[in-house]
Amino acid sequence: DAGVIQSPRHEVTEMGQEVTLRCKPISGHNSLFWYRQTMMRGLELLIYFNNNVPIDDSGMPEDRFSAKMPNASFSTLKIQPSEPRDSAVYFCASSFGQEAFFGQGTRLTVV
Amino acid sequence: AQTVTQSQPEMSVQEAETVTLSCTYDTSESDYYLFWYKQPPSRQMILVIRQEAYKQQNATENRFSVNFQKAAKSFSLKISDSQLGDAAMYFCAYGGSNYKLTFGKGTLLTVNP
Repeated sequence: DAGVIQSPRHEVTEMGQEVTLRCKPISGHNSLFWYRQTMMRGLELLIYFNNNVPIDDSGMPEDRFSAKMPNASFSTLKIQPSEPRDSAVYFCASSFGQEAFFGQGTRLTVV
Repeated sequence: AQTVTQSQPEMSVQEAETVTLSCTYDTSESDYYLFWYKQPPSRQMILVIRQEAYKQQNATENRFSVNFQKAAKSFSLKISDSQLGDAAMYFCAYGGSNYKLTFGKGTLLTVNP
Protein backbone atom coordinates (compact mmCIF):
# COMPACT_ATOMS: atom_id res chain seq x y z
CA ASP A 1 0.00 0.00 0.00
CA ALA A 2 1.26 3.48 -0.87
CA GLY A 3 0.13 4.93 2.43
CA VAL A 4 -1.82 8.13 2.86
CA ILE A 5 -1.27 10.36 -0.14
CA GLN A 6 -1.59 14.11 0.07
CA SER A 7 -1.34 16.71 -2.65
CA PRO A 8 0.16 19.10 -3.23
CA ARG A 9 3.31 18.79 -1.08
CA HIS A 10 3.81 22.51 -1.17
CA GLU A 11 1.42 25.33 -1.95
CA VAL A 12 2.14 29.04 -2.12
CA THR A 13 -0.83 31.29 -2.68
CA GLU A 14 -1.81 34.90 -2.34
CA MET A 15 -4.05 36.15 0.39
CA GLY A 16 -7.69 35.96 -0.64
CA GLN A 17 -7.26 33.02 -2.97
CA GLU A 18 -9.01 29.69 -2.58
CA VAL A 19 -6.83 26.75 -1.59
CA THR A 20 -7.78 23.08 -1.87
CA LEU A 21 -5.78 20.35 -0.19
CA ARG A 22 -6.35 16.75 -1.18
CA CYS A 23 -6.01 13.42 0.56
CA LYS A 24 -6.29 9.79 -0.43
CA PRO A 25 -6.51 7.58 2.67
CA ILE A 26 -5.25 4.03 2.95
CA SER A 27 -7.66 1.60 1.37
CA GLY A 28 -9.87 -0.09 3.96
CA HIS A 29 -9.44 2.61 6.58
CA ASN A 30 -12.73 3.99 7.82
CA SER A 31 -11.59 7.11 9.67
CA LEU A 32 -9.92 10.17 8.21
CA PHE A 33 -8.45 13.11 10.05
CA TRP A 34 -7.21 16.56 9.06
CA TYR A 35 -4.59 18.12 11.32
CA ARG A 36 -2.83 21.47 11.19
CA GLN A 37 0.69 21.92 12.55
CA THR A 38 2.18 25.28 13.49
CA MET A 39 5.05 26.26 15.73
CA MET A 40 2.76 28.18 18.04
CA ARG A 41 -0.10 25.71 18.42
CA GLY A 42 1.49 22.37 17.62
CA LEU A 43 -0.71 19.68 16.06
CA GLU A 44 -4.38 20.54 16.09
CA LEU A 45 -7.20 18.31 14.93
CA LEU A 46 -9.40 20.23 12.52
CA ILE A 47 -12.00 17.64 11.59
CA TYR A 48 -12.46 13.92 11.40
CA PHE A 49 -14.69 11.64 9.38
CA ASN A 50 -15.90 8.15 10.11
CA ASN A 51 -17.28 6.15 7.19
CA ASN A 52 -17.24 9.35 5.12
CA VAL A 53 -19.42 11.23 7.60
CA PRO A 54 -18.04 14.25 9.49
CA ILE A 55 -18.11 13.35 13.18
CA ASP A 56 -16.38 16.27 14.83
CA ASP A 57 -15.52 19.56 13.16
CA SER A 58 -15.08 21.54 16.35
CA GLY A 59 -11.45 22.18 15.47
CA MET A 60 -12.21 23.96 12.23
CA PRO A 61 -11.06 27.51 12.97
CA GLU A 62 -13.77 29.42 11.14
CA ASP A 63 -16.19 29.37 8.26
CA ARG A 64 -13.41 29.94 5.77
CA PHE A 65 -12.46 26.30 6.29
CA SER A 66 -14.51 23.44 4.90
CA ALA A 67 -13.85 19.74 4.42
CA LYS A 68 -15.56 17.06 2.40
CA MET A 69 -15.27 13.34 1.97
CA PRO A 70 -17.39 12.37 -1.03
CA ASN A 71 -16.24 8.74 -0.93
CA ALA A 72 -14.02 6.40 1.05
CA SER A 73 -10.95 7.12 -1.07
CA PHE A 74 -10.88 10.91 -1.23
CA SER A 75 -11.13 13.97 0.97
CA THR A 76 -10.53 17.68 0.52
CA LEU A 77 -9.84 20.56 2.84
CA LYS A 78 -10.67 23.94 1.38
CA ILE A 79 -9.79 27.40 2.63
CA GLN A 80 -11.64 30.29 1.05
CA PRO A 81 -10.49 33.01 1.28
CA SER A 82 -7.02 32.20 2.52
CA GLU A 83 -5.15 34.45 4.96
CA PRO A 84 -1.46 34.63 5.96
CA ARG A 85 -2.29 33.16 9.38
CA ASP A 86 -3.42 29.98 7.63
CA SER A 87 0.20 29.26 6.74
CA ALA A 88 1.01 25.87 8.28
CA VAL A 89 1.60 22.24 7.48
CA TYR A 90 -1.66 20.38 6.97
CA PHE A 91 -1.68 16.64 7.59
CA CYS A 92 -4.20 14.07 6.59
CA ALA A 93 -4.28 10.79 8.51
CA SER A 94 -6.37 7.65 8.21
CA SER A 95 -7.04 4.75 10.52
CA PHE A 96 -8.96 1.55 11.07
CA GLY A 97 -9.14 1.40 14.83
CA GLN A 98 -6.78 3.34 17.01
CA GLU A 99 -3.59 3.49 14.98
CA ALA A 100 -3.45 6.52 12.67
CA PHE A 101 -1.20 6.70 9.62
CA PHE A 102 -0.18 10.11 8.36
CA GLY A 103 0.45 11.51 4.94
CA GLN A 104 3.53 13.59 4.27
CA GLY A 105 1.63 16.81 4.74
CA THR A 106 1.06 19.90 2.65
CA ARG A 107 3.08 22.97 3.52
CA LEU A 108 0.84 25.93 2.83
CA THR A 109 2.24 29.43 2.59
CA VAL A 110 -0.15 32.34 2.17
CA VAL A 111 1.55 35.58 1.19
CA ALA B 1 -11.26 17.00 27.46
CA GLN B 2 -8.06 15.05 27.27
CA THR B 3 -4.75 16.86 27.51
CA VAL B 4 -1.24 15.66 26.82
CA THR B 5 1.79 17.36 28.35
CA GLN B 6 5.39 17.00 27.29
CA SER B 7 7.42 19.00 29.76
CA GLN B 8 10.73 18.80 27.90
CA PRO B 9 10.79 21.05 24.82
CA GLU B 10 14.31 19.87 23.99
CA MET B 11 16.55 16.99 24.95
CA SER B 12 19.98 15.88 23.85
CA VAL B 13 21.81 12.58 24.09
CA GLN B 14 25.18 11.22 23.11
CA GLU B 15 25.25 8.60 20.42
CA ALA B 16 24.95 5.08 21.91
CA GLU B 17 23.57 6.43 25.18
CA THR B 18 20.05 6.14 26.56
CA VAL B 19 17.51 8.93 26.80
CA THR B 20 14.03 9.13 28.29
CA LEU B 21 11.32 11.47 27.05
CA SER B 22 8.50 12.33 29.42
CA CYS B 23 4.77 12.53 28.81
CA THR B 24 1.81 12.92 31.10
CA TYR B 25 -1.84 12.99 30.18
CA ASP B 26 -5.18 13.69 31.72
CA THR B 27 -8.30 11.65 31.05
CA SER B 28 -11.40 10.30 32.73
CA GLU B 29 -11.59 7.30 30.44
CA SER B 30 -10.45 3.86 31.54
CA ASP B 31 -9.83 2.39 28.11
CA TYR B 32 -7.55 4.24 25.72
CA TYR B 33 -4.35 4.07 23.71
CA LEU B 34 -1.11 5.99 23.94
CA PHE B 35 1.37 6.57 21.17
CA TRP B 36 4.77 8.03 20.47
CA TYR B 37 5.27 9.51 17.03
CA LYS B 38 8.55 10.63 15.53
CA GLN B 39 8.77 13.55 13.12
CA PRO B 40 12.17 13.90 11.41
CA PRO B 41 13.07 16.95 9.32
CA SER B 42 11.27 15.34 6.38
CA ARG B 43 8.12 16.13 8.48
CA GLN B 44 6.68 12.65 7.99
CA MET B 45 4.86 11.49 11.13
CA ILE B 46 6.11 8.01 11.96
CA LEU B 47 4.56 5.81 14.61
CA VAL B 48 7.28 4.61 16.98
CA ILE B 49 5.36 2.65 19.59
CA ARG B 50 1.85 2.19 20.99
CA GLN B 51 0.45 1.08 24.32
CA GLU B 52 -3.02 -0.14 25.15
CA ALA B 53 -4.14 1.13 28.54
CA TYR B 54 -5.61 -2.23 29.54
CA LYS B 55 -2.24 -3.91 29.16
CA GLN B 56 0.01 -3.80 32.18
CA GLN B 57 3.07 -4.89 30.27
CA ASN B 58 5.12 -2.05 28.84
CA ALA B 59 5.41 -2.01 25.05
CA THR B 60 8.79 -2.54 23.42
CA GLU B 61 9.91 -2.09 19.83
CA ASN B 62 13.60 -2.86 19.36
CA ARG B 63 15.53 0.02 20.97
CA PHE B 64 12.33 1.84 21.95
CA SER B 65 10.39 1.04 25.10
CA VAL B 66 7.86 2.79 27.26
CA ASN B 67 7.25 3.12 30.96
CA PHE B 68 3.48 3.24 31.32
CA GLN B 69 2.20 4.22 34.74
CA LYS B 70 -1.59 4.24 34.46
CA ALA B 71 -2.33 5.49 37.95
CA ALA B 72 0.10 8.34 37.55
CA LYS B 73 -1.05 8.96 33.95
CA SER B 74 2.51 8.90 32.79
CA PHE B 75 3.86 7.48 29.55
CA SER B 76 7.59 7.96 28.99
CA LEU B 77 9.64 6.81 26.02
CA LYS B 78 13.09 5.31 26.47
CA ILE B 79 15.47 5.17 23.53
CA SER B 80 18.42 2.87 24.08
CA ASP B 81 21.68 2.90 22.11
CA SER B 82 20.73 6.22 20.52
CA GLN B 83 21.61 6.64 16.88
CA LEU B 84 22.06 9.75 14.77
CA GLY B 85 18.92 8.81 12.88
CA ASP B 86 16.89 9.10 16.06
CA ALA B 87 17.24 12.87 15.96
CA ALA B 88 13.74 14.23 15.45
CA MET B 89 10.74 15.81 17.13
CA TYR B 90 8.90 13.27 19.26
CA PHE B 91 5.20 13.59 19.98
CA CYS B 92 3.23 11.80 22.63
CA ALA B 93 -0.41 11.21 21.67
CA TYR B 94 -3.57 10.01 23.39
CA GLY B 95 -6.29 8.10 21.58
CA GLY B 96 -9.60 7.68 23.35
CA SER B 97 -13.00 6.18 22.67
CA ASN B 98 -13.77 8.72 19.95
CA TYR B 99 -10.68 7.68 17.96
CA LYS B 100 -9.33 11.22 17.93
CA LEU B 101 -5.65 11.68 18.67
CA THR B 102 -4.63 14.45 21.04
CA PHE B 103 -0.97 15.41 20.78
CA GLY B 104 1.51 16.95 23.14
CA LYS B 105 3.64 19.90 22.03
CA GLY B 106 6.59 17.69 21.25
CA THR B 107 10.18 17.19 22.39
CA LEU B 108 13.03 17.97 20.04
CA LEU B 109 15.70 15.31 20.43
CA THR B 110 19.27 16.03 19.36
CA VAL B 111 21.76 13.17 19.09
CA ASN B 112 25.38 14.20 19.46
CA PRO B 113 28.07 12.13 17.74
